[in-house]
Amino acid sequence: KQEVTQIPAALSVPEGENLVLNCSFTDSAIYNLQWFRQDPGKGLTSLLLIQSSQREQTSGRLNASLDKSSGRSTLYIAASQPGDSATYLCAVRRSQGNLIFGKGTKLSVKP
Amino acid sequence: SAVISQKPSRDICQRGTSLTIQCQVDSQVTMMFWYRQQPGQSLTLIATANQGSEATYESGFVIDKFPISRPNLTFSTLTVSNMSPEDSSIYLCSVETGGADTQYFGPGTRLTVL
Repeated sequence: KQEVTQIPAALSVPEGENLVLNCSFTDSAIYNLQWFRQDPGKGLTSLLLIQSSQREQTSGRLNASLDKSSGRSTLYIAASQPGDSATYLCAVRRSQGNLIFGKGTKLSVKP
Repeated sequence: SAVISQKPSRDICQRGTSLTIQCQVDSQVTMMFWYRQQPGQSLTLIATANQGSEATYESGFVIDKFPISRPNLTFSTLTVSNMSPEDSSIYLCSVETGGADTQYFGPGTRLTVL
């Protein structure tokens, strides 16, 4: 059974810092991995999607890496801003289509 | 991409009653998913709803408790039946657009059962 773990559960940093969020999964036979951002009352926003054959994806200040063999992914946020404050969720997808989520990392960026 | 709306956005209900949540998508999609997020927990898939067939439920979820309708390619409903306080959660609708690997989520319905 696939399990997804995210560390840390919560993180508080001053504005401008670079930070790394971690995600690990127990079964390396994944189709892809997706990072989401969850804001209260706004649902989930997809940030980055990494296919199983890829090593990393970048979008603006965000960079996500994938090491399938070790069951790990990281989300790197450069030059953090207060607007980055949210809960970040990692999810892996099996070939059937549904996603298996971690519990998330709650990020607070202080001005 | 897909734009998804859900109704209601939140509700407070009494034990033993039922609530139907609506999910509307701005484009036709084949696969729709319903997830539950209990307080402090990760999202858990309830069922997959495909148009023209019965929903497929995950282990631990049954049709009598969570009946789902999928009358067309842009709309679905999830009913939470005979509610108890343990059903207090955020319920989210999700879709996967044709040919894309990304899933898009609605804003969620926050349900509180007293």
